[in-house]
Amino acid sequence: SQQGEEDPQALSIQEGENATMNCSYKTSINNLQWYRQNSGRGLVHLILIRSNEREKHSGRLRVTLDTSKKSSSLLITASRAADTASYFCATGPSGGSNYKLTFGKGTLLTVNP
Amino acid sequence: EAQVTQNPRYLITVTGKKLTVTCSQNMNHEYMSWYRQDPGLGLRQIYYSMNVEVTDKGDVPEGYKVSRKEKRNFPLILESPSPNQTSLYFCASRASGNTGELFFGEGSRLTVL
Repeated sequence: SQQGEEDPQALSIQEGENATMNCSYKTSINNLQWYRQNSGRGLVHLILIRSNEREKHSGRLRVTLDTSKKSSSLLITASRAADTASYFCATGPSGGSNYKLTFGKGTLLTVNP
Repeated sequence: EAQVTQNPRYLITVTGKKLTVTCSQNMNHEYMSWYRQDPGLGLRQIYYSMNVEVTDKGDVPEGYKVSRKEKRNFPLILESPSPNQTSLYFCASRASGNTGELFFGEGSRLTVL
């Protein structure tokens, strides 16, 4: 079953603008991760935020987590054409087992030069 | 270089002809998993393995088999492929523990005629 659901499904922006993608989930989580996928390629891990964290930064990436709303957002600042990709959130369930990391359907980001 | 290697990358086959997609990782990871990715459905977990000789079903295991005889290898077996198994398949691995990023292979695009 799909746990995380990204929003929007597709986003098109100009180079230099910021891109914000959202992820909502339904059940309690241990952590939430964001992955990136270039067209038809393998997914690459971007950042992990634990359930007791509210915000995390990595380079041009900023992730927030609101466990009361069961939602997360990924902000990419000063976007570049090379950021064009699909972005997925993935949730690891609380209760000890992270084996069934569940992915959403992704947001397709297009950054126009 | 740390990597997850899948073979073949592309395969066209016919209904009923048994095939195996191999997956090998060189990071000494305990956990390995197979996903399939289909348009509009995101990534869905097929099977996963927590360690050698320990495997379990994911969300869509029907029509697939796996084995984990060695730590580095986790082959996906389609005993009698059908057209609904046409998909993009990804193998992933990570170290043991409750959290941690998944490392993905480059994908295997399978077409069953």
